Amino acid sequence: DAGVIQSPRHEVTEMGQEVTLRCKPISGHNSLFWYRQTMMRGLELLIYFNNNVPIDDSGMPEDRFSAKMPNASFSTLKIQPSEPRDSAVYFCASSLLGSVWDFQSSYEQYFGPGTRLTVT
Amino acid sequence: ILNVEQSPQSLHVQEGDSTNFTCSFPSSNFYALHWYRWETAKSPEALFVMTLNGDEKKKGRISATLNTKEGYSYLYIKGSQPEDSATYLCASSNTGNQFYFGTGTSLTVIP
Repeated sequence: DAGVIQSPRHEVTEMGQEVTLRCKPISGHNSLFWYRQTMMRGLELLIYFNNNVPIDDSGMPEDRFSAKMPNASFSTLKIQPSEPRDSAVYFCASSLLGSVWDFQSSYEQYFGPGTRLTVT
Repeated sequence: ILNVEQSPQSLHVQEGDSTNFTCSFPSSNFYALHWYRWETAKSPEALFVMTLNGDEKKKGRISATLNTKEGYSYLYIKGSQPEDSATYLCASSNTGNQFYFGTGTSLTVIP
């Protein structure tokens, strides 16, 4: 497997523009996570999907951010309109999550290479 | 919100020295503790996942222990090598499948 694939790897855009980040999880994984890394706040979980359904979006900063997972092999994170403070590295990760009571199920997250977003 | 804390924030050791660092986490609703290795300009790489009190995991020269009752985990590196230089992140997940990361320990191994 090629691992988690993210595109684009770098994005530079002007304030006010719409930005769409894409992620392809590892085939067979049932959970997908979007993270944002900044110098000030470190790595933050934005939203997490399980079986294509958003489970926890409490980390999404505000209404300008939205995420979708239309099928098991694709997810998008959209920022509209973008602002300079959105500049960060955005990581996507996928995992195979079993029941929370199944201690034998693999629980490791595999991260993509990240998208470095710069909003000017 | 869970507060996951790691110490020290950064660490410089000589090649060949052994070292360890700490991750502390709230023990309420705890499910699993994760360690990641994160090299500059790369993405985090999973090292260990531990769920049970007393768990010990080992991968080569790196090992980790877990104490869920007191809420801490140690990561040990035996005989540090320059290629071990990276940021080591821990994350705690709860029974709601929410992940909370610490800010990492930056390790530099001096040849």
